[in-house]
Amino acid sequence: GAGVSQSPSNKVTEKGKDVELRCDPISGHTALYWYRQSLGQGLEFLIYFQGNSAPDKSGLPSDRFSAERTGGSVSTLTIQRTQQEDSAVYLCASSLEGTGGFSPLHFGNGTRLTVT
Amino acid sequence: AQKVTQAQTEISVVEKEDVTLDCVYETRDTTYYLFWYKQPPSGELVFLIRRNSFDEQNEISGRYSWNFQKSTSSFNFTITASQVVDSAVYFCALSAYNQGGKLIFGQGTELSVKP
Repeated sequence: GAGVSQSPSNKVTEKGKDVELRCDPISGHTALYWYRQSLGQGLEFLIYFQGNSAPDKSGLPSDRFSAERTGGSVSTLTIQRTQQEDSAVYLCASSLEGTGGFSPLHFGNGTRLTVT
Repeated sequence: AQKVTQAQTEISVVEKEDVTLDCVYETRDTTYYLFWYKQPPSGELVFLIRRNSFDEQNEISGRYSWNFQKSTSSFNFTITASQVVDSAVYFCALSAYNQGGKLIFGQGTELSVKP
């Protein structure tokens, strides 16, 4: 079956512009996560959606970052007024069920964001 | 607070050597889950294994084996008879029960297997 799909795979943007990153989770997975991977910071949790519950936004680094998940499926991560320190690979993951903590996360290939 | 430490940043071995990747974790939770992921050069993180905190039985899958020891808070990963295709970055991760499945990752160990 299809895995987690992310688009675009690469994005180059100018400092100050807004960007939107898209994630299509595995069908039937109720939990969806966004992570950021950068050289200095490793893999950082950003945000988590579980079903129709309010998302856990505890990992978002600033109010320039936001995410939504429509219809319990596709998710969009938006970064407003991008800064050079936002350059990283943004990874999306989904799992069958997030609440218990035991379902493995399945990751997409990521979107490499470069802010010039 | 939860923390995962992978002290080995890079390891280089020659094909057919055995190699062990170390993982040490910290948590106050009594129920938790430990994971290993592989990230090949293509970039996608691939799930390898999950262990529950209440099950210390070691596991073997082909050339891969995992040693979970609660007494030392370690969850080490051994590759037997390594192959070039094993070259990747390997991440150890921890999630606590009932906390949304958020993974706390170690910094990763880059394994290079040379022919």
